[in-house]
Amino acid sequence: QVQLQESGPGLVKPSETLSLTCAVSGYSISSGYYWGWIRQPPGKGLEWIGSIYHSGSTYYNPSLKSRVTISVDTSKNQFSLKLSSVTAADTAVYYCASEVKYYYGSGSYPAWIDYWGQGTLVTVSS
Amino acid sequence: EIVMTQSPATLSVSPGERATLSCRASQSVSSNLAWYQQKPGQAPRLLIYGASTRATGIPARFSGSGSGTEFTLTISSLQSEDFAVYYCQQYNNWPPTTFGQGTKVEIK
Repeated sequence: QVQLQESGPGLVKPSETLSLTCAVSGYSISSGYYWGWIRQPPGKGLEWIGSIYHSGSTYYNPSLKSRVTISVDTSKNQFSLKLSSVTAADTAVYYCASEVKYYYGSGSYPAWIDYWGQGTLVTVSS
Repeated sequence: EIVMTQSPATLSVSPGERATLSCRASQSVSSNLAWYQQKPGQAPRLLIYGASTRATGIPARFSGSGSGTEFTLTISSLQSEDFAVYYCQQYNNWPPTTFGQGTKVEIK
């Protein structure tokens, strides 16, 4: 069974860069999932941030694309999120997740989310 | 971007009763829809994918239906552990995949 664990600072100052890492256990990150980040502001709904495949192919939410970088380290079986120029609106619980690879036509993309990390609250405040 | 609209925002149901939750897409998503359950302080849990396929370990009292723009999650007989917030997610038109705003199922 896939297990995911987020780690990183719980407090980030405005205009700085939020950095989180997700350690994957029980499954090789180089196998069949996409690996994604989803966030949830306190008391609100879910927002998909982006995904990465072990090949390094990345997919970002257009609304965040200019500020987001997702990378993968297959040697450590982990992937990471960087979100730059943060504001208070970026305060949220950040989840890492495994997204099922969905084949469509000649390609594939991330579909439903099979496993979630426990989530980590990141607060943006000075 | 496809907008997912869930209704009602809050559903008050007595234990043992049936709960019907709705999810509407702003354009067709075929059957590329999933449902999740989230309890306070926990990550969401996958219930249904492909609009109607139960995920591993999900009790049979949970069922999903619909296609195109109209979807339904039905909980046939609510148990105490089913009181939670439920989200739908479309993964047909992507990126981005998008979620509904959630339906809270509370004890009546």
